[in-house]
Amino acid sequence: NAGVMQNPRHLVRRRGQEARLRCSPMKGHSHVYWYRQLPEEGLKFMVYLQKENIIDESGMPKERFSAEFPKEGPSILRIQQVVRGDSAAYFCASSPGGQGAYEQYFGPGTRLTVT
Amino acid sequence: QKEVEQDPGPLSVPEGAIVSLNCTYSNSAFQYFMWYRQYSRKGPELLMYTYSSGNKEDGRFTAQVDKSSKYISLFIRDSQPSDSATYLCAMSEGGYQKVTFGTGTKLQVIP
Repeated sequence: NAGVMQNPRHLVRRRGQEARLRCSPMKGHSHVYWYRQLPEEGLKFMVYLQKENIIDESGMPKERFSAEFPKEGPSILRIQQVVRGDSAAYFCASSPGGQGAYEQYFGPGTRLTVT
Repeated sequence: QKEVEQDPGPLSVPEGAIVSLNCTYSNSAFQYFMWYRQYSRKGPELLMYTYSSGNKEDGRFTAQVDKSSKYISLFIRDSQPSDSATYLCAMSEGGYQKVTFGTGTKLQVIP
């Protein structure tokens, strides 16, 4: 019973390039969440998605960041024209959704380094 | 003021001690309260969750929620070096609502 999978685990991008992070939820989970974690800081909520639907994107920066969770395939967090301040660990979590939305299970994270 | 406040620590205790970790919050609409454990450079792991006020016990871990005081606690009995990690509290209004995390308390259990 595979858990939440994220790839790549480490990603290095130069300033101005695009970063694409992938997340496959646990089997049977239809809801996905993305968080950003900076060193010595807590998890900052970015976006909450259901398949083909964005439920809450209140934590997402207005520019350069986008997320999707298509009917088929993993959820994607896309960061365009990356800057040094985007360097962080990005975690994805999944839940059964609905009344079980609070019960989130996390992936191992993608560590993005912008040079 | 942050919605969820948590002392970052670090908290150092000897092996076998009882550990108390706490969070306060300001949003009275929170109904679900969770505790996560995060080892260095790993994803958070869900330890326990409780609904509304009360206590919940799971092995050496006990979670308490006092909604009247907007205060939650996690107690770890007979602490072990393997408990050394960062502990994150988290809360949600429930249903299709996002989860808000505290900044985490770093715990070190010394053998």
